[in-house]
Amino acid sequence: ILNVEQSPQSLHVQEGDSTNFTCSFPSSNFYALHWYRWETAKSPEALFVMTLNGDEKKKGRISATLNTKEGYSYLYIKGSQPEDSATYLCAFRGYSTLTFGKGTMLLVSP
Amino acid sequence: DGGITQSPKYLFRKEGQNVTLSCEQNLNHDAMYWYRQDPGQGLRLIYYSQIVNDFQKGDIAEGYSVSREKKESFPLTVTSAQKNPTAFYLCASSRDRGVNTEAFFGQGTRLTVV
Repeated sequence: ILNVEQSPQSLHVQEGDSTNFTCSFPSSNFYALHWYRWETAKSPEALFVMTLNGDEKKKGRISATLNTKEGYSYLYIKGSQPEDSATYLCAFRGYSTLTFGKGTMLLVSP
Repeated sequence: DGGITQSPKYLFRKEGQNVTLSCEQNLNHDAMYWYRQDPGQGLRLIYYSQIVNDFQKGDIAEGYSVSREKKESFPLTVTSAQKNPTAFYLCASSRDRGVNTEAFFGQGTRLTVV
């Protein structure tokens, strides 16, 4: 079973703070790295799918980078808002399937 | 609205009984997946299907069975052989087996064995 690690496990920040999370994954047999946001009582929703080393993706205040050679990805949130409160999941895409990390739970206080 | 529907939202089962969780999608996706979540754990893959009438075991398939007779449906049966069935179950689908395709998720079924 593949090992996909996310850190920190949880994070509590104030509105307006910028924050970042880390996802570590195997550097071999890599096909893609996915990021999902999972809000309470809702379904997980895709944020980014990245495939190439050096990829950078951005959606509004959220961005992500990818380093496939060393096996890590960073997710950044600039100027956190209370509506950003959610669990952020990364998933390693191997040949056939997605392997998820345990997630980083973010709480943004007003 | 296109999406994935899981039912029921909450399910209670007596020990020793089989139970089937429903997952239906109207996104015309080829691939479908079942995941299980336990407290403090990530989503773990139970079974997946990349095409109708074909499915593969995931990391924790023991005690579960699936079928994929129709493109839009991928029911999961939790059998009495599953030792710790109490968990939150998520169904997902993706357009195809391509590496760039994101997964779409249902809202989950929480199963409790009483």
